[in-house]
Amino acid sequence: GAGVSQTPSNKVTEKGKYVELRCDPISGHTALYWYRQSLGQGPEFLIYFQGTGAADDSGLPNDRFFAVRPEGSVSTLKIQRTERGDSAVYLCASSRGGFGHEQFFGPGTRLTVL
Amino acid sequence: AQSVSQHNHHVILSEAASLELGCNYSYGGTVNLFWYVQYPGQHLQLLLKYFSGDPLVKGIKGFEAEFIKSKFSFNLRKPSVQWSDTAEYFCAINAGNNRKLIWGLGTSLAVNP
Repeated sequence: GAGVSQTPSNKVTEKGKYVELRCDPISGHTALYWYRQSLGQGPEFLIYFQGTGAADDSGLPNDRFFAVRPEGSVSTLKIQRTERGDSAVYLCASSRGGFGHEQFFGPGTRLTVL
Repeated sequence: AQSVSQHNHHVILSEAASLELGCNYSYGGTVNLFWYVQYPGQHLQLLLKYFSGDPLVKGIKGFEAEFIKSKFSFNLRKPSVQWSDTAEYFCAINAGNNRKLIWGLGTSLAVNP
């Protein structure tokens, strides 16, 4: 079946611009996660949705970052006033509800802020 | 705070050599433990996981890992590596009631044919 998909695969933007990154989870997965991965680092948790609500947004670095999942499926990560330090690969994962289920990852969106 | 430490950042092996990648975590309570792999140009995929029961878990492609609670460790092993095992390997945990994964920095494995 279809896996997690993310669009765009690459995004280049200028400092100060607004960007949106999209994630389509596996059908039927109620949990959705956003992580970001900088070069040479492991993924870093940003936010987790259970259904439509953000169950844990403790990883969002500041108020320039925001994510939504209005219908409990597709999610959009929004970054305002981008900074060069936001450059990273943004990963989305989805899983079944309940604790401890495997998280299935998408290919990521590589964001470059010039 | 919970954390995951991977001891080896870069490992180079010849085919048929044995592999052991170290992973230690810091958390005093219940954890679930994972090893993920990222092959060149591909996305992260699960190698194996430990939730409970037998501390020796077997995963895909001949990999296994052993959970040693007293050492807070979950080392990954494979008796004989292949060139196709060249990849980045990440150890991760769920701690307590948290759904989020806490990750190590990763280990880059290069297997020479």
